[in-house]
Amino acid sequence: ELKVEQNPLFLSMQEGKNYTIYCNYSTTSDRLYWYRQDPGKSLESLFVLLSNGAVKQEGRLMASLDTKARLSTLHITAAVHDLSATYFCAVDRSILQGGSEKLVFGKGTKLTVNP
Amino acid sequence: SQTIHQWPATLVQPVGSPLSLECTVEGTSNPNLYWYRQAAGRGLQLLFYSVGIGQISSEVPQNLSASRPQDRQFILSSKKLLLSDSGFYLCAWKTGVNTEAFFGQGTRLTVV
Repeated sequence: ELKVEQNPLFLSMQEGKNYTIYCNYSTTSDRLYWYRQDPGKSLESLFVLLSNGAVKQEGRLMASLDTKARLSTLHITAAVHDLSATYFCAVDRSILQGGSEKLVFGKGTKLTVNP
Repeated sequence: SQTIHQWPATLVQPVGSPLSLECTVEGTSNPNLYWYRQAAGRGLQLLFYSVGIGQISSEVPQNLSASRPQDRQFILSSKKLLLSDSGFYLCAWKTGVNTEAFFGQGTRLTVV
């Protein structure tokens, strides 16, 4: 069974600080996604990571994937209030395992950036 | 371009009443379709996914069912709602192996 674990689940940080959110998953996969959710809203895609060593950056956010360690990180640089949201990682079960594309999400990390 | 429509946006239903939530996708063919539920302040729970017409995989045994009568239509149903069915229901679609899933705007269901 594919399990996806994020930590921390809650993160309160000051503006200007750096921090990293971690996403671990339990079975082989080389496709990992990061999403953002604002309160009361749907999910917005942030990053698509499709291979070992993939790194994507957008503004103050940078995501990376290590498929051997089954680990992805979302690094926040010099946080600003606008980054306050809940961040989810999600993993596809690899087709090579004979499974269909089941997209499983972590529990999310609620980020609060304080002035 | 592809779009996803999900309705209604909000719904208040009494316990024991039926439910039907609909999701349609435009601008693509043969997508994978998903229903997720998010309880207040919680993560996303995968309820059902479908890789084709009439093909439904259920992830969690519960008071809900799903159907895919057409390629781009995905319906979530219940015959009798429970209080525990309250939550934020999200439909999503995905095409191709190496693409992300795109989400509808969600339906906030309150069972009273």
